[in-house]
Amino acid sequence: GQQVMQIPQYQHVQEGEDFTTYCNSSTTLSNIQWYKQRPGGHPVFLIQLVKSGEVKKQKRLTFQFGEAKKNSSLHITATQTTDVGTYFCAGSPDDKIIFGKGTRLHILP
Amino acid sequence: KAGVTQTPRYLIKTRGQQVTLSCSPISGHRSVSWYQQTPGQGLQFLFEYFSETQRNKGNFPGRFSGRQFSNSRSEMNVSTLELGDSALYLCASRLGLGRSAISGNTIYFGEGSWLTVV
Repeated sequence: GQQVMQIPQYQHVQEGEDFTTYCNSSTTLSNIQWYKQRPGGHPVFLIQLVKSGEVKKQKRLTFQFGEAKKNSSLHITATQTTDVGTYFCAGSPDDKIIFGKGTRLHILP
Repeated sequence: KAGVTQTPRYLIKTRGQQVTLSCSPISGHRSVSWYQQTPGQGLQFLFEYFSETQRNKGNFPGRFSGRQFSNSRSEMNVSTLELGDSALYLCASRLGLGRSAISGNTIYFGEGSWLTVV
């Protein structure tokens, strides 16, 4: 079946270091979305990418959608303690939305 | 505009009982989906409803069921509760079922209902 694989599952970084999480789909996606869930909270929409090769930035966060629209990445520059949480990607191959398992980011002070 | 509202927020049930969770989507959103999230786990898709019809379904046993009303509000029910059903149940709404940004593919989550089965 259709799957969206997300790696790594966990990531520990020192505060100030960069962080990247990757998503790969078994099928071509019409778009991909990213969500952040803080500990004890619920997933919150961050951004949606639609075009092949699209790159979008939100302050220290950079989101990319692959040329083949099968993969995506989220890169955080100079992590801060406020970046702690789990980052989910969600892809749409059709009318369904398929979530990756998420990457849990821990920040070491 | 009010967000997705879920009730109750917290509840404790005994094994073998049943539970009903309620979700009110964002005004104008016609699609409601439900997810189960256990500690340290990802989002497990339960089902999605649109126009009172179940459109997509995850791999959960028949003990998990749902419905959507004409005003787009949704409920999910879990019968014969098991200890393993203890989880955060998240409801999410979106405008429709389309794939494009225009047709409203973005999902907005409620704060969830924390269910503990003892």
